Amino acid sequence: EAQVTQNPRYLITVTGKKLTVTCSQNMNHEYMSWYRQDPGLGLRQIYYSMNVEVTDKGDVPEGYKVSRKEKRNFPLILESPSPNQTSLYFCASSSPGLALPDTQYFGPGTRLTVL
Amino acid sequence: DQQVKQNSPSLSVQEGRISILNCDYTNSMFDYFLWYKKYPAEGPTFLISISSIKDKNEDGRFTVFLNKSAKHLSLHIVPSQPGDSAVYFCAASASSNYQLIWGAGTKLIIKP
Repeated sequence: EAQVTQNPRYLITVTGKKLTVTCSQNMNHEYMSWYRQDPGLGLRQIYYSMNVEVTDKGDVPEGYKVSRKEKRNFPLILESPSPNQTSLYFCASSSPGLALPDTQYFGPGTRLTVL
Repeated sequence: DQQVKQNSPSLSVQEGRISILNCDYTNSMFDYFLWYKKYPAEGPTFLISISSIKDKNEDGRFTVFLNKSAKHLSLHIVPSQPGDSAVYFCAASASSNYQLIWGAGTKLIIKP
């Protein structure tokens, strides 16, 4: 089954304690992306990757890191989480078409609470 | 400043009637628009899209209309069914830039 998986689904942590949210896709997609969803703001892109070893900042990259060492995995790293990073996080992947952005497949989300 | 706006946080519609969800954008470079649907505890799933070379795209009960001069698009669902109750997101992109810009979402509630 084609899917994007994220782990963990729920996480409560404390300020400053490093954490990693994993994302994996089994569709051989080149493009992967991380979003955060906050009430009244929709989805905002944190980082994206067009392919292995190629990553770029999105709209809200501050406080986050990513890596793309393998095509299927795109972990999101919070080196020193703060309460303003409490949010719902989504990983997405797609295989960009030649002329138009393709549709994105989303993971189920990770709800992060930073105390 | 939000480039994609969904001004109705929620909408309640009777089962069997038409649901109309609206989306406005400000960036004239946007030329591709998508609607996604999201159920609780799940990620968004793609619903329907439209390119700026068209003004209408239809897929079963779902039709998206694009008015470029007004920078406005709408999603029509006819007839509305209980399973349509979800949050609907509008997203836009410029073909020169793969990044999607998202609206805040509209929660659609279908009443029996």
